[in-house]
Amino acid sequence: ETGVTQSPTHLIKTRGQQVTLRCSSQSGHNTVSWYQQALGQGPQFIFQYYREEENGRGNFPPRFSGLQFPNYSSELNVNALELDDSALYLCASSWDRGTDTQYFGPGTRLTVL
Amino acid sequence: SQQGEEDPQALSIQEGENATMNCSYKTSINNLQWYRQNSGRGLVHLILIRSNEREKHSGRLRVTLDTSKKSSSLLITASRAADTASYFCAAYSGGYNKLIFGAGTRLAVHP
Repeated sequence: ETGVTQSPTHLIKTRGQQVTLRCSSQSGHNTVSWYQQALGQGPQFIFQYYREEENGRGNFPPRFSGLQFPNYSSELNVNALELDDSALYLCASSWDRGTDTQYFGPGTRLTVL
Repeated sequence: SQQGEEDPQALSIQEGENATMNCSYKTSINNLQWYRQNSGRGLVHLILIRSNEREKHSGRLRVTLDTSKKSSSLLITASRAADTASYFCAAYSGGYNKLIFGAGTRLAVHP
């Protein structure tokens, strides 16, 4: 157990809808990163937040957005859902943008119909 | 884009055998990490090896790093059925905490 939690565990949405996924970081961590993992693939970096500011973004369109709160919990929002957004969404927390270990939550499985 | 690429894509062995997975990466790195994922759940950090290290051990795990060949290997000795999982190598890209993963090796250990 890493201490990183995510909610919900599973989610089913229809194309065009919007979704919000939540992540609670491990205690003491001020950095959170979000990843998308399609079936049979490795995780793909979406973006990172450090002390409530976006600190880097992967190759994802603007309809993927995020927030980090003062308690370092985080949200991932996806607007105008597409079928290809169906994936496992993982958040990972770490300390101070360092290049060491990231601690992953169990993920949210999103299915878009 | 992928920083790491694992080889083989899938590996099937018997309990007690050793499992070796390889990873190649493209750019210079500060460190390389290996993660395990069970049945599409969250990733569990296994081991981190820094660019100035050549070999590292943790329990039944042995990781090597060859920066001249841009490659790493993960050896699991005396495998158990509970080691059945997908294994990913990952390295950082750019100036921040952007972990780049390979597609993973799916390991099946049969009793």
